[in-house]
Amino acid sequence: DIQMTQSPSSLSASVGDRVTITCRASQSISSYLNWYQQKPGKAPKLLIYAASSLQSGVPSRFSGSGSGTDFTLTISSLQPEDFATYYCQQSYSTLTWTFGQGTKLEIK
Amino acid sequence: EVQLVESGGGLVKPGGSLRLSCAASGFTFSSYSMNWVRQAPGKGLEWVSSISSSSSYIYYADSVKGRFTISRDNAKNSLYLQMNSLRAEDTAVYYCARDEDRGGSFNWFDPWGQGTLVTVSS
Repeated sequence: DIQMTQSPSSLSASVGDRVTITCRASQSISSYLNWYQQKPGKAPKLLIYAASSLQSGVPSRFSGSGSGTDFTLTISSLQPEDFATYYCQQSYSTLTWTFGQGTKLEIK
Repeated sequence: EVQLVESGGGLVKPGGSLRLSCAASGFTFSSYSMNWVRQAPGKGLEWVSSISSSSSYIYYADSVKGRFTISRDNAKNSLYLQMNSLRAEDTAVYYCARDEDRGGSFNWFDPWGQGTLVTVSS
């Protein structure tokens, strides 16, 4: 199975900050990488698919980049509603989907 | 509106069984692969099982293989997860999620249901 490792596991930041979350795959997955946001008690919500494509309705302050094994999710200017947990997911091997362990973004 | 609504969760004793359902609306259910994903309390997301649109292809995580069975009824726009031989470590919120690709080679999960809680405890 392809292992996905996110860093950091948790992050404290302030409103207006630029934040970057990293996801690393255990083997090359080209651009087969998705990002989700999850708020407490809610279902995950798709933010980015195919590494860099912004899902419809998602604010443009969110962006994704990377290919191969290293990927990043960037929030250009944190808003209060962005404090949540973020997960990456590989879609290279859809026989066994795998997620990163999550990055919890907290208010400083 | 595209919507997925799970039901069937609850408290069950170790070794027991439970059947989860996911009712789909707002899209052509029979055209999409579907998935179950779970989240143990305070933990991350774990993919559980996938089923193709016509049920021809079915996959399971190793952690549930041989105990869980995914199925669907396209006439009823419904997805199911039969869970047998339940263990304490199966305690989680179970989400159903649509496998979307917009006709391309990339796939993602969207939307997700609100989840249903399964608690395995004596």
